[in-house]
Order: sequence, then structure tokens, then C-alpha cells
Amino acid sequence: QPVLTQSSSASASLGSSVKLTCTLSSGHSSYIIAWHQQQPGKAPRYLMKLEGSGSYNKGSGVPDRFSGSSSGADRYLTISNLQSEDEADYYCETWDSNTVVFGGGTKLTVL
Amino acid sequence: EVQLVESGGGLVQPGGSLRLSCAASGFTFSSYAMSWVRQAPGKGLEWVSAISGSGGSTYYADSVKGRFTISRDNSKNTLYLQMNSLRAEDTAVYYCAKVVVPAAIGCMDVWGKGTTVTVSS
Repeated sequence: QPVLTQSSSASASLGSSVKLTCTLSSGHSSYIIAWHQQQPGKAPRYLMKLEGSGSYNKGSGVPDRFSGSSSGADRYLTISNLQSEDEADYYCETWDSNTVVFGGGTKLTVL
Repeated sequence: EVQLVESGGGLVQPGGSLRLSCAASGFTFSSYAMSWVRQAPGKGLEWVSAISGSGGSTYYADSVKGRFTISRDNSKNTLYLQMNSLRAEDTAVYYCAKVVVPAAIGCMDVWGKGTTVTVSS
């Protein structure tokens, strides 16, 4: 089954941009993933579905500041013009025919 | 508005049982696979189980296989998770989630607010 690897933490300044990475395990580099945001004390929120081609589809109401891209086994979430409310945990998710896998999550701090 | 509302959480002793429910509204429930995802205190998200739109196919994480049973009642727009032989490590917030990708069990585009399960003596 696939494994997703994320850095445990990231930080960036208010108004700047940050690029979070989710890496698929060997043999799974073509997999589609999803990005989710979890603000402190809240339920996760779906951000987007991201394909290996770099094509992505965002969820309803997700600001234009959020975008996705891909390179090989890496899937990226870029947040532009960082706002204080972007401080959250970000999880990637993937799946195959009989299992679903989440990455360990990246805790984003907005300085 | 698409909405998922979980219920049924609580405090249960090790070895006990609990049944979680998830009431869905705002979409054609029977058309979508559904999943349960949990989050232990201070930890990340862990997928627990999924079920196809018809209910004919079910899937489980190894950590709960043989102890948990997922089911759905499409006439009531409700998803269930029967949890038996509960262990301390099952303590978590349990979320139900709607799957957006047709014919898949992953890619969850709507999440409930969660219900808390605590397994302790």
C-alpha cells in the first residue's frame, strides 16, 4: 500500500508564500492525493484533489490563495499571501482499491 | 447545504462496545462511498473504515479489522460504525466523511465535526 511522507513542521511570515510537500512512496508516484486543512480544535476541511499531472480541483469555498502542483512522486500545496487563519495542520491523503492512507501532517506556523 | 453529523460517542470500559452514527443531509447519500476517520489526542488522522454507496463493499484498517463493523442505511441517510472489543488505543475523535471520487473509497470532500470516544476503566 502507498505511504505518504510530510515534514512535521513549516513556518512562514504573514503575507508571504509557503510550499508544503507530500511525497508518495516508491511505486506509487502516479497516485492522486487530496489535501486537507485542520485548524486548531476543528474538524478537517477538504482543500483539493491533486493529480500527478499537476491538475487540481479545489473544494467549495477554498480561497484562490491555495494551489497545488506535482513533480514526480511529490505533491505540493502552495499557500500565497499567508493569513493568520492559515495556521493549521495540513494532511495529504491517498487511496487504492481497498485502503486509505494519510500522511503524518505538517504543522504550519504563520509568523 | 451538505452536512454530516456524528453521534454516539462516550466513555466506555475496555472490552466494551459502542455504536456511532452519522446523519447525512444535502446530497444523494446512496450515490457516495463514506468513510470513518479517527484522530487520537495530539495525533494525526487515521483512516478506520469505508463503505461503498450501495453498502455492498466494506473496507477496514488492520487496526480495527474483526472488531469494528461499518454499515449504512440509505433509506435513513445514516452511516454507522459498530465498535466491539474496544481498547484504550481506540480513544479518539471519530469523524465521518463523504468520498468525492466515484468508484473510490478515498478523497474525502465533506467532514463531520466528530464525536469523541474514550476507552478507559
